[in-house]
Amino acid sequence: AQSVTQLGSHVSVSEGALVLLRCNYSSSVPPYLFWYVQYPNQGLQLLLKYTSAATLVKGINGFEAEFKKSETSFHLTKPSAHMSDAAEYFCAVSPETSGSRLTFGEGTQLTVNP
Amino acid sequence: EPEVTQTPSHQVTQMGQEVILRCVPISNHLYFYWYRQILGQKVEFLVSFYNNEISEKSEIFDDQFSVERPDGSNFTLKIRSTKLEDSAMYFCASVETGEHNEQFFGPGTRLTVL
Repeated sequence: AQSVTQLGSHVSVSEGALVLLRCNYSSSVPPYLFWYVQYPNQGLQLLLKYTSAATLVKGINGFEAEFKKSETSFHLTKPSAHMSDAAEYFCAVSPETSGSRLTFGEGTQLTVNP
Repeated sequence: EPEVTQTPSHQVTQMGQEVILRCVPISNHLYFYWYRQILGQKVEFLVSFYNNEISEKSEIFDDQFSVERPDGSNFTLKIRSTKLEDSAMYFCASVETGEHNEQFFGPGTRLTVL
């Protein structure tokens, strides 16, 4: 079985500050890892994915994440927050198999203060 | 850019009634999914569908639920006798085989059961 833990249901940063959203996973098989963003009243948009190639993954909107197997982590970062980054962020894991279910974390609501 | 579409965007129904939620996956995708998100909670997997049959289902997906691909484009979720606790946002997703299980999500259908 796989699971995801997102530390911090709410994170608040100032505009221009570093964004760090934490994700730890549990998996008995090599995982694929994903970060999705959900803006209010919208669906889920893929930010980035780890698929066993490079451990540092760059995504859209300036976000990146680093896969650390020893720490079972896949934290999401952005050097400088923008007001438009305010949204809910979900970390998800699946086995390395097309067609597998995604298992999501509880989500982290990011607030960006002016 | 191709996208997953879902109809209706909102559905209000009375407890005990049947509802059908519709999705049009991306045309060359082969795996299809339904997820749900109860207000304020995480996204949960319901069912996956491949080659015209269910490939995996969660414990949530009991006999009240069914899925169908009635033609070459639509993918539907039927809830036979809705309960209050079925109120949620329902997301459809699809994957192109060989694309590292990158799931593309639709905008969702908000189901309200009264």
